[in-house]
Amino acid sequence: AQRVTQPEKLLSVFKGAPVELKCNYSYSGSPELFWYVQYSRQRLQLLLRHISRESIKGFTADLNKGETSFHLKKPFAQEEDSAMYYCAKTSYDKVIFGPGTSLSVIP
Amino acid sequence: DTEVTQTPKHLVMGMTNKKSLKCEQHMGHRAMYWYKQKAKKPPELMFVYSYEKLSINESVPSRFSPECPNSSLLNLHLHALQPEDSALYLCASSQLGFVMNTEAFFGQGTRLTVV
Repeated sequence: AQRVTQPEKLLSVFKGAPVELKCNYSYSGSPELFWYVQYSRQRLQLLLRHISRESIKGFTADLNKGETSFHLKKPFAQEEDSAMYYCAKTSYDKVIFGPGTSLSVIP
Repeated sequence: DTEVTQTPKHLVMGMTNKKSLKCEQHMGHRAMYWYKQKAKKPPELMFVYSYEKLSINESVPSRFSPECPNSSLLNLHLHALQPEDSALYLCASSQLGFVMNTEAFFGQGTRLTVV
């Protein structure tokens, strides 16, 4: 079965500290992976996708096929980064979301 | 216009009521989706429409009935729901379907409470 796992339900870091949100996926063909973010009282929105190799709001994510991982990283966390983060994988018109990690940045 | 608009924002309905959730997008997207999201859980896919045809039904109970009247509109008809159906219902759209690695745009959701 296609699966996306995020081992941490909750993650707290201090402002200015590095942050890494972990994501692992079950491998099937060429993975198409995304990170979505849901800020408080806002709609779910795309943060970044692996294929474009972009940096959004200082976040980056590298696909590691050997470890089947797609961890999200930011060198210096900001308070406005506090949100729910979902790693997601596409499969035949479906998006399979991981369970999510709630990031809390402490001032 | 890069928004997906859902109405109503909140809905309270009894178990014998019939109601509908509405979703609209004007981005020219040809794939539209319904998701259900319980508190502190990820969205769960319910239905996918591609080119106005139902392409995926994730074994959703028949008390939920989707409808896609045209390429801009998506409805979810509700009948004889149970209290456990209370959740945030999200609509999303994308250009050609997620398999093409395109971005999905989500609505704000309808907060449904079944009493």
